[in-house]
This record gives sequence, structure tokens and C-alpha cells, in this order.
Amino acid sequence: EDQVTQSPEALRLQEGESSSLNCSYTVSGLRGLFWYRQDPGKGPEFLFTLYSAGEEKEKERLKATLTKKESFLHITAPKPEDSATYLCAVHPNTGNQFYFGTGTSLTVIP
Amino acid sequence: ETGVTQTPRHLVMGMTNKKSLKCEQHLGHNAMYWYKQSAKKPLELMFVYSLEERVENNSVPSRFSPECPNSSHLFLHLHTLQPEDSALYLCASSKKRSRVEDTQYFGPGTRLTVL
Repeated sequence: EDQVTQSPEALRLQEGESSSLNCSYTVSGLRGLFWYRQDPGKGPEFLFTLYSAGEEKEKERLKATLTKKESFLHITAPKPEDSATYLCAVHPNTGNQFYFGTGTSLTVIP
Repeated sequence: ETGVTQTPRHLVMGMTNKKSLKCEQHLGHNAMYWYKQSAKKPLELMFVYSLEERVENNSVPSRFSPECPNSSHLFLHLHTLQPEDSALYLCASSKKRSRVEDTQYFGPGTRLTVL
């Protein structure tokens, strides 16, 4: 069964304290893995798409990596404005399904 | 307008009402999606339209009725809803290509409350 698990469920960091968010997935074949940021009451904002194991993408303080079983979202020297829920989703090779995790709620304390 | 827009942003309706949610994408995409987001649950994919044809219906109750008149517009018609249908309804669009690019871009959502 295709599924996505994100951990931790919630994370509190001091400003400048780097950390990583995990997305573990089980899918018959991966077409793409997606990271989104979601602020309260808003729609998810696209961050990254990863297609194959070993791939890495960066944007400002964020870096996403992908293996055959999981993806990490590394946050370097976070700032309070990075506080949000980060969502991971996978799109299998066949069909039109997208499977989302429940997200990691990140709080960065000044 | 840019990106994906949704109206209304907030909707309160009784169980006997009929209402519609509207989504419009300004990205030149050819696939559109409806999702339901409830607290503490993953986003649930409800419907998928590709080139204006419905290609996915994830066992959604018939009180939700989608409509896609063209590649830029998507509607979700609601009737006789239940209180458990209260949630954030998100619209997304993507550019389906022959290989892999299926990145979805989301609208701001409609917060629906069913009394």
C-alpha cells in the first residue's frame, strides 16, 4: 500500500539551530516527491520536486534530499519566518494519485 | 490575477443548502484537482481532471459534484452536506507532460463550515 509518513510531528527550534525533517515513503514506483510549506489558513506553497535517489535541491535555508525510501528537508540556521507546517507528497509511477503526509509543524523561536 | 485562485475563501452553509466552490488557474496548466484537508489528517485527493476529463474520483460521496468546463476553471458543487464535511477545500493545478512533471500548485483554499 502506498503511503507517506512524516516525522517529527512537531519541532521547536531556536533561531539559528539547524535540523532536518523526515519523509518516509512506500510506493510501488516513484514518479516524483514534493515538498510544500503551508502557513495557517493558507494553501500549500510549492518548495521542491525530487525525481530520483541522490537528487538534491536547495532554496535559501532549505535543502531537500532523496533516497529510495525517504526524503529529508534540511533547514540551516532557521529564522522565525520559517515557522510553518511542511508537507511531503509522493506521486506513484502509475495512476493519478498523490499521497500526502500529515506534515511537520515547525516553530522557530527568536 | 496570478497562480491559482479560489472563491469564496470562507463559506458557512446549512445541511440543506446548495452552494458551489470555484477555482481558476492562470498558469496555463491542463490538469486540476480538488483536495479536502481536515485537522490532523493528510490531504485527501477527491477529484482529478486532466484535459477537462475526470480521470479520478476517490470514492467521494455524491453530495460533492465536480465540474470542469475548461482547462482554467474547476467547480465543486455542494448539496445536503453533513457537519463532518467541514474542512479546508483546496484546488490545485499542474502541467501534465509525457514524462514526470506533475508538480501541483495550490490555491488558498475555501474554509467550509457545515452547520
